[in-house]
Amino acid sequence: DTGVSQNPRHKITKRGQNVTFRCDPISEHNRLYWYRQTLGQGPEFLTYFQNEAQLEKSRLLSDRFSAERPKGSFSTLEIQRTEQGDSAMYLCASSSRQGDTEAFFGQGTRLTVV
Amino acid sequence: KQEVTQIPAALSVPEGENLVLNCSFTDSAIYNLQWFRQDPGKGLTSLLLIQSSQREQTSGRLNASLDKSSGRSTLYIAASQPGDSATYLCAASSYNTDKLIFGTGTRLQVFP
Repeated sequence: DTGVSQNPRHKITKRGQNVTFRCDPISEHNRLYWYRQTLGQGPEFLTYFQNEAQLEKSRLLSDRFSAERPKGSFSTLEIQRTEQGDSAMYLCASSSRQGDTEAFFGQGTRLTVV
Repeated sequence: KQEVTQIPAALSVPEGENLVLNCSFTDSAIYNLQWFRQDPGKGLTSLLLIQSSQREQTSGRLNASLDKSSGRSTLYIAASQPGDSATYLCAASSYNTDKLIFGTGTRLQVFP
């Protein structure tokens, strides 16, 4: 297993378009998280899944954002009608429910809305 | 509501110095505290995880301590090297939620 994988690494889109990002967690991890990071700030929590169940959503996650983890494996994060304020790094992390629950992050998807 | 603060925001040191990065949190009911490294434009690399029942963890030249009663954690880097230049982030998780609350990071530059 090579760790948490995110695709694409970079995405440039025009305002108003929809975008979708994918995250493949470490295979034995049943917890998956999405965070958003803007320049000079620490990551901010967006949402998290345990298996296929979405257990918590941040107030940051407006109606334009939706996340899924249909079979408890990979996850997608979709942003509809993108705005310039959505420009950020979107980070995915996974952890195991058992043991020390250390979180491992992917390389992120850099979104630029023009 | 948990809040995490890191000081200093930036640090520039010559190679070979030992240094300490500070992290403070407002809610002592944490489940664990994790330190990460982030290179520019990249994701986060986990460095050390300290469970709430532990006082410290060590990995190579890195040592992280945790004092829940005072709401503080420190990351000690021994014999710093230019390759240590990066942003260091700490994050706390709580018992009632699994999300991580991050500080804004300390940007470290180690010059030769």
